[in-house]
Amino acid sequence: NAGVTQTPKFQVLKTGQSMTLQCAQDMNHNSMYWYRQDPGMGLRLIYYSASEGTTDKGEVPNGYNVSRLNKREFSLRLESAAPSQTSVYFCASSDLGWRQNYGYTFGSGTRLTVV
Amino acid sequence: KNEVEQSPQNLTAQEGEFITINCSYSVGISALHWLQQHPGGGIVSLFMLSSGKKKHGRLIATINIQEKHSSLHITASHPRDSAVYICAVLGNYGGSQGNLIFGKGTKLSVKP
Repeated sequence: NAGVTQTPKFQVLKTGQSMTLQCAQDMNHNSMYWYRQDPGMGLRLIYYSASEGTTDKGEVPNGYNVSRLNKREFSLRLESAAPSQTSVYFCASSDLGWRQNYGYTFGSGTRLTVV
Repeated sequence: KNEVEQSPQNLTAQEGEFITINCSYSVGISALHWLQQHPGGGIVSLFMLSSGKKKHGRLIATINIQEKHSSLHITASHPRDSAVYICAVLGNYGGSQGNLIFGKGTKLSVKP
């Protein structure tokens, strides 16, 4: 089925460990996003990629890095995990031109716990 | 002050009731999205609006651009409608085009 695929769905890390969250979309969308969702807060943008080859910081980028490997794939890396990064992470994609807008498609989420 | 405010935060209804969830925003927008998130689940886009009204099954979404307000209505509510409903706006200002600003969500519980 067409959509956004995120892996893994669940992960437990120890403080200081590193990991990469993978995201791939098969809708030929230009734009991809990584969000985190914490209790009592709206989704917050970590990083985004408006097109292949570009990435930009969002609202909460500290402690994260991203790679737009190709048009399909956008990965999020935690180099040294901290308990404050315990959250649910969502990848999303859209086909968004300047001041045009199309629907967003979200992945199923990754529940990350850092102990 | 949050740029996107939703009300109520929590809502409990009896099956069959008509439900309204409200969203107010303080920035200029090019579009507004209503999203649905089931417990432990992913996020699904319900509507994208830039003006007027849209209907899909028992769901109706309206937007008033002048008043910077949108509503999501559910007619003949059902327990399977129980979810968190999230309002998100796409700003029309430069520098962050394409990035959604999210409300905190409204948790709806429909009792049989």
